[in-house]
Amino acid sequence: DAGVTQSPTHLIKTRGQHVTLRCSPISGHKSVSWYQQVLGQGPQFIFQYYEKEERGRGNFPDRFSARQFPNYSSELNVNALLLGDSALYLCASSRTGGFNYGYTFGSGTRLTVV
Amino acid sequence: GQQLNQSPQSMFIQEGEDVSMNCTSSSIFNTWLWYKQDPGEGPVLLIALYKAGELTSNGRLTAQFGITRKDSFLNISASIPSDVGIYFCAGHPGGGADGLTFGKGTHLIIQP
Repeated sequence: DAGVTQSPTHLIKTRGQHVTLRCSPISGHKSVSWYQQVLGQGPQFIFQYYEKEERGRGNFPDRFSARQFPNYSSELNVNALLLGDSALYLCASSRTGGFNYGYTFGSGTRLTVV
Repeated sequence: GQQLNQSPQSMFIQEGEDVSMNCTSSSIFNTWLWYKQDPGEGPVLLIALYKAGELTSNGRLTAQFGITRKDSFLNISASIPSDVGIYFCAGHPGGGADGLTFGKGTHLIIQP
């Protein structure tokens, strides 16, 4: 079975640009969560979506937004990129909302802002 | 954002030695988790703890959920080269809307 799939794996953007990151959850998983991991730190929670609705949000500015599609895949959008947005963006999927044992992370998208 | 207090930050040990790391929080968690992250990969769950005082093993790994629900530790016995990586603790408060809160990680380096 395929795990959590994220695309692209790497990308480079310029300050002020916009970026869209994509995540496909494990088949049968209806919840997707997004995390930001800055180099040398642990992941920080950004959003959780369940059944296409936002269920939780971390302490991130409004430049960060996300959505979940009917097939449960998800997009994370970041506007007006700053150098500090450079990080590994991780997606995790689970069967239901919230944390449960099946919570599985993808390999992430490495975003570099120059 | 909040991060858990995880120590040590890094460990240099000899193959075969036992390893111990711990994590503390100012908040209570209903679930404590330990993850390992290899370069270029996402975190992989090692052990999940769901009850205060719980002691759980997974092969050479043993973890405990502190009685106060504000701390946890992870032990690795008889370390081997593939144990190299970054270990993260994480807590979840319970309920459906919150994500995980992670520590800053312990970087384990094993010298042959």
